[in-house]
Amino acid sequence: SQQGEEDPQALSIQEGENATMNCSYKTSINNLQWYRQNSGRGLVHLILIRSNEREKHSGRLRVTLDTSKKSSSLLITASRAADTASYFCALLTGGFKTIFGAGTRLFVKA
Amino acid sequence: DVKVTQSSRYLVKRTGEKVFLECVQDMDHENMFWYRQDPGLGLRLIYFSYDVKMKEKGDIPEGYSVSREKKERFSLILESASTNQTSMYLCASSLSARFYTKNIQYFGAGTRLSVL
Repeated sequence: SQQGEEDPQALSIQEGENATMNCSYKTSINNLQWYRQNSGRGLVHLILIRSNEREKHSGRLRVTLDTSKKSSSLLITASRAADTASYFCALLTGGFKTIFGAGTRLFVKA
Repeated sequence: DVKVTQSSRYLVKRTGEKVFLECVQDMDHENMFWYRQDPGLGLRLIYFSYDVKMKEKGDIPEGYSVSREKKERFSLILESASTNQTSMYLCASSLSARFYTKNIQYFGAGTRLSVL
């Protein structure tokens, strides 16, 4: 499958801790994106990293990409209860399609 | 801000009914997508459209059709609803997927469809 696979499937942490989610994939990519989904809502784009980039930051988010290992990680620093959501990696492999993983459910306890 | 609006948040239909899910975007985006989301399976692409009257099958098109008569509107049609089509349906749009910096997708809030 070309689908990105997130790890872990679920993560529970205390407010203030860092949360790390990983995404592995099997095909070549043009870019990799991370999205967030609050319960029962649509997805919201967080960050895009190109295949020739290794790291990107946006506020409390840090994304890394290792194309040799075909993996990416999303780090949320100093997590808040409001960060509770599902997080998806999404792969653009070429053409029009973006392929989404099954997601990591993050629960941040206040 | 980009706004993608799905016509219904919740729908309950009976087996065999024809069901229309409507999606409208207000940012003149070229591309529009329909996904279904099921627990543990992530988002699966049903159909997408890269221009008016153009459509392409996604990964799971069986039992569905689409219509894009105007650039801003993309409709998903369940010709004869079945219980295995009970799911969350998400519509998305993107400016242009031909340029990888512009293929960020903007999603609607979703329609939770139950087929009884």
